[in-house]
Amino acid sequence: KAGVTQTPRYLIKTRGQQVTLSCSPISGHRSVSWYQQTPGQGLQFLFEYFSETQRNKGNFPGRFSGRQFSNSRSEMNVSTLELGDSALYLCASSLTSGGADTQYFGPGTRLTVL
Amino acid sequence: GDSVTQMEGPVTLSEEAFLTINCTYTATGYPSLFWYVQYPGEGLQLLLKATKADDKGSNKGFEATYRKETTSFHLEKGSVQVSDSAVYFCALSKAAGNKLTFGGGTRVLVKP
Repeated sequence: KAGVTQTPRYLIKTRGQQVTLSCSPISGHRSVSWYQQTPGQGLQFLFEYFSETQRNKGNFPGRFSGRQFSNSRSEMNVSTLELGDSALYLCASSLTSGGADTQYFGPGTRLTVL
Repeated sequence: GDSVTQMEGPVTLSEEAFLTINCTYTATGYPSLFWYVQYPGEGLQLLLKATKADDKGSNKGFEATYRKETTSFHLEKGSVQVSDSAVYFCALSKAAGNKLTFGGGTRVLVKP
């Protein structure tokens, strides 16, 4: 089975721009979660989508949004980029939305905001 | 809120040494506990997990036991290899939803 894929792998944007990141889960997985990884804050949960519905949301401003399509692929969008949004964005997929499920992570998208 | 605390690194070891990474958690109820590993330039890989008290997770020579009484999930390996050099993350997840709460990560460097 193919793993979780994320596109693009690298992005460079300037402050004020917006960006869209894409995540394709493992075939058959219906849950997609997004995480932000920075040296200062570590790994932080952004949100989870399950069957096209946002299931959980982390403590991030409204500039961070996401959606999930009927084929379980997910996108996250960050509007009005700030320097502090520079990070590795990881998505993870799992079969269901149960807390004990194993989440399989993609390689991440590294976003640099100049 | 929920939180995970793990020992700060870096931890530097010689090959074949014993590795322990301490992890404690604060959470209501009965969370599931995980250890993930991140190699340079890659995403996270699940190393092992435990879903209830006294469960022992094991994989690739690594072990961790879910201790409810001490709210701990310490990671151990009896004989490390250079290829075990990575960053290790302890995490928890509650019963509903796939929100993982991570510790700060522990960098492990194994020297030949």
